[in-house]
Amino acid sequence: EDQVTQSPEALRLQEGESSSLNCSYTVSGLRGLFWYRQDPGKGPEFLFTLYSAGEEKEKERLKATLTKKESFLHITAPKPEDSATYLCAVQVDSGNTPLVFGKGTRLSVIA
Amino acid sequence: DAGITQSPRHKVTETGTPVTLRCHQTENHRYMYWYRQDPGHGLRLIHYSYGVKDTDKGEVSDGYSVSRSKTEDFLLTLESATSSQTSVYFCAIRTSGSSYEQYFGPGTRLTVT
Repeated sequence: EDQVTQSPEALRLQEGESSSLNCSYTVSGLRGLFWYRQDPGKGPEFLFTLYSAGEEKEKERLKATLTKKESFLHITAPKPEDSATYLCAVQVDSGNTPLVFGKGTRLSVIA
Repeated sequence: DAGITQSPRHKVTETGTPVTLRCHQTENHRYMYWYRQDPGHGLRLIHYSYGVKDTDKGEVSDGYSVSRSKTEDFLLTLESATSSQTSVYFCAIRTSGSSYEQYFGPGTRLTVT
């Protein structure tokens, strides 16, 4: 069974304190890995897609990386506005199967 | 913004009543999805559609039905709402091509009393 596990469940950082969120996956064949940001009361907002091990994507203070078994979302010098839940999802096999989502990491950045 | 709207945005209904949620998109995407999101469970797929009148079940489809009579609209129906269906419901579309990226609507908060 395809599985996606995110850790930690919750993370509290001081403003400027860099850290990483983890997304580990066990799937039959990875076609793509996606990161989303979700603010309270809103729908998930697409951040990145990663397709192959070694790939990296960056956006402002966020950098996503991918290995054969996990992905990391690195947050450099976070600000309070980076507080949100970050979701990871994978696309497997033919691409017509639905995404498999992790349960998310709830990030709080304190000023 | 992928041009996705959901209606209603909030609804309170009584157990046993039928409820229909609507998802509307403006960009003619072939794939559309319905998810529910609950604390401790994350996003779970209810049903999805890969074209007009083409739908399939997801992980938590019991108690739900869907219809797609035109490309832009994907309806989710709770035939007889139960308290366990109290949740936040999200619609999503998948972009065309090989990217498989999904974009989500703003959500509908449904409370079944």
